[in-house]
Amino acid sequence: AQRVTQPEKLLSVFKGAPVELKCNYSYSGSPELFWYVQYSRQRLQLLLRHISRESIKGFTADLNKGETSFHLKKPFAQEEDSAMYYCALRGGNKLVFGAGTILRVKS
Amino acid sequence: DTEVTQTPKHLVMGMTNKKSLKCEQHMGHRAMYWYKQKAKKPPELMFVYSYEKLSINESVPSRFSPECPNSSLLNLHLHALQPEDSALYLCASSQDRDKYTDTQYFGPGTRLTVL
Repeated sequence: AQRVTQPEKLLSVFKGAPVELKCNYSYSGSPELFWYVQYSRQRLQLLLRHISRESIKGFTADLNKGETSFHLKKPFAQEEDSAMYYCALRGGNKLVFGAGTILRVKS
Repeated sequence: DTEVTQTPKHLVMGMTNKKSLKCEQHMGHRAMYWYKQKAKKPPELMFVYSYEKLSINESVPSRFSPECPNSSLLNLHLHALQPEDSALYLCASSQDRDKYTDTQYFGPGTRLTVL
C-alpha cells in the first residue's frame, strides 16, 4: 500500500525566509512523486513532479529514495506562495495525496 | 482548450433526489477520474476510467454511479445520497494512466450539499 505523510498542517514564515515543506512516502515499488498546490478559490494544480527535475515558481524538490522523502523547498518565500500544498504519490495507477500543508507567508 | 471543466459549480439536493455531475475535457486525454474532497482534507480517489472503461472503483457506495459516454465526457450520477456525502467533487484527466510519466489535471470541482 502507498502512503504519503506531510507532518506539518501549517507552516508560517516571513516573506523572504526559506521554506521547506516536508513529505515522506511509503511504497514498495518505484514511486512517482508530485507536488500539487491549491491557491485560495482556485483549482488544484500541479506544481512540479520529481521526474522533471525542474524549478517552478522558485520551488524545487528532490526525491531521496534512501530517506523516502520528497521535500519541497524555496530559498525566499513570497506572499503569493500562500496556499495549500499537497504531496502526492503515483503508484499502481493510483494517485494518493498527503494530508496537505498550509503555507502562510507573512509580510 | 487546455482545461478540465465541471458543471454545475454548486449543487444542493435532497436525499431523495437524483442529480448528475458533469466533467469535460478536450485535451485528448484517455484517462478520467472522480475524487471526493471533504473540507480541509486531501482528495480521495473514487473512480478511474481508462479508454472509456471503468478500471478502478475504490469501493464507492452504489448511490454514486459513474458513466463515461465518450472520451471527452465523464458523468457522476447521484441518487439517494446522505448528508455525509456533502463535499467537493473533483474531476481530473490525464493523457494515459498506464504511462509512468502521466500527470493529472484537475477541474474546479462541484460543491455538493445534501440536505
